Amino acid sequence: GAGVSQTPSNKVTEKGKYVELRCDPISGHTALYWYRQSLGQGPEFLIYFQGTGAADDSGLPNDRFFAVRPEGSVSTLKIQRTERGDSAVYLCASSLISTQVGLAGDYNEQFFGPGTRLTVL
Amino acid sequence: EDKVVQSPLSLVVHEGDTVTLNCSYEVTNFRSLLWYKQEKKAPTFLFMLTSSGIEKKSGRLSSILDKKELFSILNITATQTGDSAIYLCAVGGTSYGKLTFGQGTILTVHP
Repeated sequence: GAGVSQTPSNKVTEKGKYVELRCDPISGHTALYWYRQSLGQGPEFLIYFQGTGAADDSGLPNDRFFAVRPEGSVSTLKIQRTERGDSAVYLCASSLISTQVGLAGDYNEQFFGPGTRLTVL
Repeated sequence: EDKVVQSPLSLVVHEGDTVTLNCSYEVTNFRSLLWYKQEKKAPTFLFMLTSSGIEKKSGRLSSILDKKELFSILNITATQTGDSAIYLCAVGGTSYGKLTFGQGTILTVHP
C-alpha cells in the first residue's frame, strides 16, 4: 500500500479484556516497529521486527504484551488482561534496513501509521 | 539509558516569525537523529541527521546536528499556520530498530 495502515483506528474495551491491534507496513519494508504514545509524551518504543523475528522487544512493559509478525509483513500487537494504564495511542512504523553497516543510510527513517487509540474503561 | 530532551515544551508565535526548536540527547553508540512533525496521529518524517555540521534543508525548514555538544536544532523561517504541530526529536543508538523520542515541542502559529 501507499503508507502504513493500522486497524482499528479506535478501540474501547473494558478492564481485563483482551485486544489485538493490527499493522500493515509499507510494501517491501523489512523492518516493523511498535510504539506507544501517551498524552503529552513522545512515542515510547515497544518492539522491533526484522522480517518475522523480534529483533528487540526490550520496550514491552510486561508479559501481558505480545506481538507477532508470522509472515514478515502484517503484525499484530496483543494485550491481555488490559488495564486502564494501557490507554494510549499505539503507533506502528516500518522502514527499509540496510544490513551493510557503515554505508550512508544504514539507518533508515521510520514511516509511521495513523495509530490506534486504545481506551480501557 | 538513552535520553532525549526537547525545549521549549511549547511555543506560540505569529505568522512570519522564525522559530528555533532544540533537542539535546544522551545515547549509547549514536547512529542518527531524526525530526518528525506530528499534526494529528501519525508523525511525519522531516530530517535524518548523522554527521555534525552539515545542514539539512527543506523549504523553510532546516536542521543541523552537533555531535560534540550532543544537540540538534530545527529552524522554521517565515512560519505559517500550517506549521502548527508537535515537533518530535528522536535518536537511534545501539539497537537498530529502537528510536528514543523526546517529549516534543508544541508549536502554535497564530495568523
